[in-house]
Amino acid sequence: AQKVTQAQTEISVVEKEDVTLDCVYETRDTTYYLFWYKQPPSGELVFLIRRNSFDEQNEISGRYSWNFQKSTSSFNFTITASQVVDSAVYFCALSDISGTYKYIFGTGTRLKVLA
Amino acid sequence: DTGVSQDPRHKITKRGQNVTFRCDPISEHNRLYWYRQTLGQGPEFLTYFQNEAQLEKSRLLSDRFSAERPKGSFSTLEIQRTEQGDSAMYLCASSVMTLGGDSYEQYFGPGTRLTVT
Repeated sequence: AQKVTQAQTEISVVEKEDVTLDCVYETRDTTYYLFWYKQPPSGELVFLIRRNSFDEQNEISGRYSWNFQKSTSSFNFTITASQVVDSAVYFCALSDISGTYKYIFGTGTRLKVLA
Repeated sequence: DTGVSQDPRHKITKRGQNVTFRCDPISEHNRLYWYRQTLGQGPEFLTYFQNEAQLEKSRLLSDRFSAERPKGSFSTLEIQRTEQGDSAMYLCASSVMTLGGDSYEQYFGPGTRLTVT
């Protein structure tokens, strides 16, 4: 069965600190997609990144970076120099590619960035 | 793109009543998904449409739930004889299926928050 684990329920940091959100997944598929979404207090899920299981290159987008390690089944997300606007719940998700591409989400990590 | 829209944003209903939610996906998106999110949890998959065909339903979708996507455009999710356990945020998402059958990321609507009293 497929599963996504986000062990950190809540993290609090002071503005300008770096923070890493952990994501560990389980799947028997050799091909799959991994995603990160942000859910601000308004509630709408905002897409951040998609990663194909064949592409283990790390990615950086501004203050955001992602570390995908297939050997440890992890897809961690780092925010550098955090800002108050980064405060939100962040979800990691795994997509099956058996036809529907439905998502299996983790339980989310609530990030609080304090001024 | 105007994004995925959902209506209503909030619904309060009494136990036993029927409710219907609407989702308008991004216009060229042929894949449409419904998810349910309860407090403190990640969204859980409910059902999937490819164009107008409903191709997968989760075991979470009891026979009190029904979804449609007539003409492959907007979709509706109906809950009959609501129960307090149905209280949740109902999220709709859409994505594009490529010619090769692959899929891009899903874009989510703002959700409909249902409260059953």
